[in-house]
Amino acid sequence: EADIYQTPRYLVIGTGKKITLECSQTMGHDKMYWYQQDPGMELHLIHYSYGVNSTEKGDLSSESTVSRIRTEHFPLTLESARPSHTSQYLCASSESTSDRGGTDTQYFGPGTRLTVL
Amino acid sequence: TQLLEQSPQFLSIQEGENLTVYCNSSSVFSSLQWYRQEPGEGPVLLVTVVTGGEVKKLKRLTFQFGDARKDSSLHITAAQPGDTGLYLCAGAIPQSGGSNYKLTFGKGTLLTVNP
Repeated sequence: EADIYQTPRYLVIGTGKKITLECSQTMGHDKMYWYQQDPGMELHLIHYSYGVNSTEKGDLSSESTVSRIRTEHFPLTLESARPSHTSQYLCASSESTSDRGGTDTQYFGPGTRLTVL
Repeated sequence: TQLLEQSPQFLSIQEGENLTVYCNSSSVFSSLQWYRQEPGEGPVLLVTVVTGGEVKKLKRLTFQFGDARKDSSLHITAAQPGDTGLYLCAGAIPQSGGSNYKLTFGKGTLLTVNP
């Protein structure tokens, strides 16, 4: 069983609020990811990090920001939440190996379901 | 434009039936992974296929990677209610520099196995 945690699991907030979604892993993985998942839609990569002080934007444009100050922690922040941010946010991590043809296993947290009213 | 097409999108069958779900693309992938996601949880890796034509078996699940590494299938024999879930395929694409890869996911097949 993977040791990757996300809090909160569910969050309902009003428009304009600043929120931070927490993600922590205890596996010592260098690589971490944030995905956005809507019902009936594919997972979209919104941010990733290959190590401390390394962050990159993913394929899907997002108004969120991330930080990677510690290996185990990869929080995602929305400065001013809007209804369009309503979605499921999944955090994942993988071990930094030689990444043989993209075969690294990504371990996912249980997700945060965010609803912005 | 969606890179990976999964079909069918929904599948509801009776316990004991066999089924196949498909993952197709016009792009070549370095490898392809299948994940299963249950309600309220994150996806969990089932298998990774790397070589064109590769077949992997995991108990009642059989995974095949197409010869051209553009498509894959998942076959379940004698489905059980515990197989219920969202099945996602994900193709690995190398990033610039070639040492890291990003996963592109399909929309998934939502499987319901009724007792």
